[in-house]
Order: sequence, then structure tokens, then C-alpha cells
Amino acid sequence: LAKTTQPISMDSYEGQEVNITCSHNNIATNDYITWYQQFPSQGPRFIIQGYKTKVTNEVASLFIPADRKSSTLSLPRVSLSDTAVYYCLVGDLLGSSNTGKLIFGQGTTLQVKP
Amino acid sequence: GAVVSQHPSWVICKSGTSVKIECRSLDFQATTMFWYRQFPKQSLMLMATSNEGSKATYEQGVEKDKFLINHASLTLSTLTVTSAHPEDSSFYICSASRDSPYEQYFGPGTRLTVT
Repeated sequence: LAKTTQPISMDSYEGQEVNITCSHNNIATNDYITWYQQFPSQGPRFIIQGYKTKVTNEVASLFIPADRKSSTLSLPRVSLSDTAVYYCLVGDLLGSSNTGKLIFGQGTTLQVKP
Repeated sequence: GAVVSQHPSWVICKSGTSVKIECRSLDFQATTMFWYRQFPKQSLMLMATSNEGSKATYEQGVEKDKFLINHASLTLSTLTVTSAHPEDSSFYICSASRDSPYEQYFGPGTRLTVT
């Protein structure tokens, strides 16, 4: 599984757009990029998943450049309730080694201020 | 849809006793479930992969005789912490995948405190 690197923490204010970048230089051809959100004392929640270019859902957007060595989670107009830890994970969905194992890195603690 | 529950949500036990934690997929069948442990201010650490009808696969460094996992049905996996010690105090979280193996649905977690 490819190793990921994210900033340890970020601060933002309500109403701003937040972009969290994740580096995954050793991403493999079959790897997908997945982001999870975790609030204190709760299990993580799936946010978004993508392979290349841009993916958007009702919660966030995921931007992946052509070389796929990084990805950016974009949260539009954050609110106080978006304060959480955000994890970027990279893994092979389709290959024979597909076990579904998720290896979590340290994540990015986002603090949204009023 | 895709709800995973855990029971209990918190438990306090005495050192040397065993504790069982249940993980259920409420509205879907999960062939594979995963168990994680999370210490305060730290990330989740995968403990084991639980497959329905077969033995669990443990990650390196996780004692299989101490953390017993049973996946008896497509909707239930249990983790039993045997002979618990204070260092086993942690937040235990399970997850299950429905469609994509990397789109996992996590339970709310179980806070275990061993006194």
C-alpha cells in the first residue's frame, strides 16, 4: 500500500474553502485514493474516492493531477461541524492483492474557527 | 443505508477478565469486516481482518490468542479481549465493506477501560 503524507493540522474559518493535500509519490497503477473523516470518539466516515482528474459529491471534491502523485480534498464553505481529522488513503481496488485493508496515516486535524 | 453498529459503546472491566465487543452490519451483508484500535490522539491501527466462516487474519504484532475474532455470520463479527490488562484500554472500531473494499463503513467504536 502506498505511503501517504498529509499536513498534521490546518486551521480555517467558517465559510472558507479548505483544501487538504495528500502526497502519495509511490501510488501504483491500480491504486485508488480515498478520504475519510473522523470526529472525536467516533468511527471514520467515508467522504470521497477517486482515481484521476476530479470527483465531486454532495460533501466534497477530490482533485487528482495527471501524475496522481498527490491529491487534494476540497471542502467548500466549511462550518464549525467540519472540525475533524481527515485521512487520505491509497489502495488497490482491482488487483489480485485486493484485501480491502486500510492503512491509516496520521491524518490532518482541521480546526474550523468562528 | 450501510449502517454498522457496535455493542457496547463503552465498557469498564477489571484486569484479568475478558470482554466481548460485537460489530453488526445492520442493512447489508459483509463478507469481510475489519477491527481497528485507536489510542488517544493517534491514528487507527488495523488489528485484523475478519472473514465470514474462516479464521481471521491478524496484523503483525497483534496477539491472536489475546484478541479473539469470530465472524459467524454475514452481519456479525465479534472481538473478544481475553485476560484484559490496563494497556488494552483503547478505542476499538470495526468496519465493513459493502461494495468497494476501500469504501468501508465504520461502527461508532467501543471505548474499553481496563482497571
